[in-house]
Amino acid sequence: DQQVKQNSPSLSVQEGRISILNCDYTNSMFDYFLWYKKYPAEGPTFLISISSIKDKNEDGRFTVFLNKSAKHLSLHIVPSQPGDSAVYFCAASVTGTASKLTFGTGTRLQVTL
Amino acid sequence: GAVVSQHPSWVICKSGTSVKIECRSLDFQATTMFWYRQFPKQSLMLMATSNEGSKATYEQGVEKDKFLINHASLTLSTLTVTSAHPEDSSFYICSARGRDGFLGTQYFGPGTRLTVL
Repeated sequence: DQQVKQNSPSLSVQEGRISILNCDYTNSMFDYFLWYKKYPAEGPTFLISISSIKDKNEDGRFTVFLNKSAKHLSLHIVPSQPGDSAVYFCAASVTGTASKLTFGTGTRLQVTL
Repeated sequence: GAVVSQHPSWVICKSGTSVKIECRSLDFQATTMFWYRQFPKQSLMLMATSNEGSKATYEQGVEKDKFLINHASLTLSTLTVTSAHPEDSSFYICSARGRDGFLGTQYFGPGTRLTVL
């Protein structure tokens, strides 16, 4: 039972354009969401997070949007850079459950020149 | 800040042997550490949660006697894969959550590639 889903396994975007990565979840108990970036054979790197009390959080080029009614979140990267090429995982947790993270399956982003 | 290291970064062992993987939080005290495994082209699957000074909590389907976890200090957790078999070959990643950090944010180590022959 995949509680966090990233339906697009891959995405290709031109440098300078906006990258939009999507994530859907099914567990309505999730109240904290995170995005991680991962290179091959490395651990994930934390990018940005959002609590369910907000619908948007911005950090530099990265913005995460949360639509609780649709159980959907998205990560926007503007402008996209070649160094952004990696696999992006969204993750969700329920506050008070020792912060266990449930990860999505990942989306491979390729930023082309 | 929030740097987590793992050692070794890769290991090859014979079937039936045991392998120990260390996870250290270098610049913060980690009250809770997590162990994940990742198969190729798949997501990270949580194996267990360890809290300093107490027994680890294992996820359903993870064998406690096979994957021994020790969180002896606030900066070190170890995962020992006992009597390893080829199906245990995987990428093992630890993460740590600090005492002062936001509850949901985990910081990950670089991972350990285990290959069992």
